[in-house]
Amino acid sequence: EAQVTQNPRYLITVTGKKLTVTCSQNMNHEYMSWYRQDPGLGLRQIYYSMNVEVTDKGDVPEGYKVSRKEKRNFPLILESPSPNQTSLYFCASSPRQYNEQFFGPGTRLTVL
Amino acid sequence: DAKTTQPTSMDCAEGRAANLPCNHSTISGNEYVYWYRQIHSQGPQYIIHGLKNNETNEMASLIITEDRKSSTLILPHATLRDTAVYYCIVPRGRGNTGKLIFGQGTTLQVKP
Repeated sequence: EAQVTQNPRYLITVTGKKLTVTCSQNMNHEYMSWYRQDPGLGLRQIYYSMNVEVTDKGDVPEGYKVSRKEKRNFPLILESPSPNQTSLYFCASSPRQYNEQFFGPGTRLTVL
Repeated sequence: DAKTTQPTSMDCAEGRAANLPCNHSTISGNEYVYWYRQIHSQGPQYIIHGLKNNETNEMASLIITEDRKSSTLILPHATLRDTAVYYCIVPRGRGNTGKLIFGQGTTLQVKP
């Protein structure tokens, strides 16, 4: 089944403890992206990647890192999480930048 | 992204057609209209997109006015599972979906 998977789906952590949220797609898509969703603010793009080893900042990149070492994976790294990064995170992929995006199921992160 | 305006909420009776309007009066000639929906904090789901001609797929129909300043998403026979937030998005540039800006959308409530 063609899909975008994220792990973990739920995570509660403490301030400053490094964490990684994984994202994987099995559709051979070139384009991948991370969004966060907060009440009243909608979905906002954090980082995106147009292909392997090519990444760029979205609207809210502060406090996040990404890497794209292989086509199928696009992990989101929080080196030192803070409470303001408590949010619902979505990974998405598409064949190219100019196609409709397929979203993962989301990761709900709470930083205490 | 071109600014879009949607009603905050709408109701629809189960089995009836749901018509969701979107105003995008500042749209440029080469910009597409995309529709996504999000069911209760799940990952957004692509529905349909169009440029100037009306479009139909297995999920919905998209009617774009001749001046392209507004469009209507039609769910022909709404079911309870269509209850969701529907987003109308006009990405910047020619079919550029790499950066999607989700506004507040329309919350559609399908009632028995």
